Amino acid sequence: AQTVTQSQPEMSVQEAETVTLSCTYDTSENNYYLFWYKQPPSRQMILVIRQEAYKQQNATENRFSVNFQKAAKSFSLKISDSQLGDTAMYFCAFMATSGTYKYIFGTGTRLKVLA
Amino acid sequence: GAVVSQHPSRVICKSGTSVKIECRSLDFQATTMFWYRQFPKQSLMLMATSNEGSKATYEQGVEKDKFLINHASLTLSTLTVTSAHPEDSSFYICSASKGAYNEQFFGPGTRLTVL
Repeated sequence: AQTVTQSQPEMSVQEAETVTLSCTYDTSENNYYLFWYKQPPSRQMILVIRQEAYKQQNATENRFSVNFQKAAKSFSLKISDSQLGDTAMYFCAFMATSGTYKYIFGTGTRLKVLA
Repeated sequence: GAVVSQHPSRVICKSGTSVKIECRSLDFQATTMFWYRQFPKQSLMLMATSNEGSKATYEQGVEKDKFLINHASLTLSTLTVTSAHPEDSSFYICSASKGAYNEQFFGPGTRLTVL
């Protein structure tokens, strides 16, 4: 069975600084997707970034980038130039490409951006 | 594109009554829909996976007779909480997928309070 671990329950960062959220996972699958979702106080889940396991290049979306280390089963999220609106819960999710395509979520990291 | 709505956003009901929550994909056809439950400050817990026209697949520990799921069309799934009790009070989130190898798009959630 797959598992996803987020070892940082809470983090804080100063506005305009850079912060990295960690995520590790365990799987025997070779093909899968990894995601970072943001859940602000409104509780609407918002996709931040996705990574296909077969792609070696790390995904990037504006201020958000990942460090995907497949052999180490690590998938960290870097937020550059942090903004107050980045304050939210961040969830890492794993989806195998075989079976039901359901997500396995981590326990989340609560990020607070300080003015 | 890829908008998912949920209705109602909030519902309060008396113990013993049944409550129906609707999940709609507004601008795409969802071959698969997922239902989650989220307790305060916790991660999303998958309750069940439903495919259009077939019975839902429930996760271990989720009572299928209590949480009835119907996926009648490619744009609508419903979750009915039958004979609700205060311990069923929670935040319920649905998501929809366009199919294999696609990410899930999440609804805004429904807060259920059972008195």
